[in-house]
Amino acid sequence: ELKVEQNPLFLSMQEGKNYTIYCNYSTTSDRLYWYRQDPGKSLESLFVLLSNGAVKQEGRLMASLDTKARLSTLHITAAVHDLSATYFCAVADYNTDKLIFGTGTRLQVFP
Amino acid sequence: ETGVTQSPTHLIKTRGQQVTLRCSSQSGHNTVSWYQQALGQGPQFIFQYYREEENGRGNFPPRFSGLQFPNYSSELNVNALELDDSALYLCASSFSGVDYGYTFGSGTRLTVV
Repeated sequence: ELKVEQNPLFLSMQEGKNYTIYCNYSTTSDRLYWYRQDPGKSLESLFVLLSNGAVKQEGRLMASLDTKARLSTLHITAAVHDLSATYFCAVADYNTDKLIFGTGTRLQVFP
Repeated sequence: ETGVTQSPTHLIKTRGQQVTLRCSSQSGHNTVSWYQQALGQGPQFIFQYYREEENGRGNFPPRFSGLQFPNYSSELNVNALELDDSALYLCASSFSGVDYGYTFGSGTRLTVV
């Protein structure tokens, strides 16, 4: 059974600092997604990673995928308060196409 | 191009009642998936519909059922509501086999009392 783990679960960071969120998954998959969720809101798509070594960047966020290690990272550069949210990674189950979500990382950026 | 629309946005039901949640897919998408997100947790896959047929199901009991219509809109029905069914229900649409993106709706917040 496909399992997805994220760490850390909570992240409190100062504006201007860099940090990385890690996403590990247990079995083979060809698609990994990163989403952002604000409190009480739906999921906003950030990145779709489809191949080993894929790297995508948008603003202060950069995501990468290592399918051999079954690991994806979401790197935050020079954090700003507007990045405060919960970030989820999700892996597509190879056989059923359903998304298996991680536990989420709650990010809080303070001045 | 319209996004994914869900209705209602909020709902309060009594234990034992039945509820129907609705989802209109993004234009051009033929696949709809439903997820349940309990407070403080990640979304959990309920089931997926493709061309009006169930195409995969998560670990949810049969009292969770669904439909997909010819226009690719979808319904989620939950019978015999339990307190633990209180959650945010998210609908996601996609175009199977072409574009790997999923577009999520704004969700329905269900509270069972």
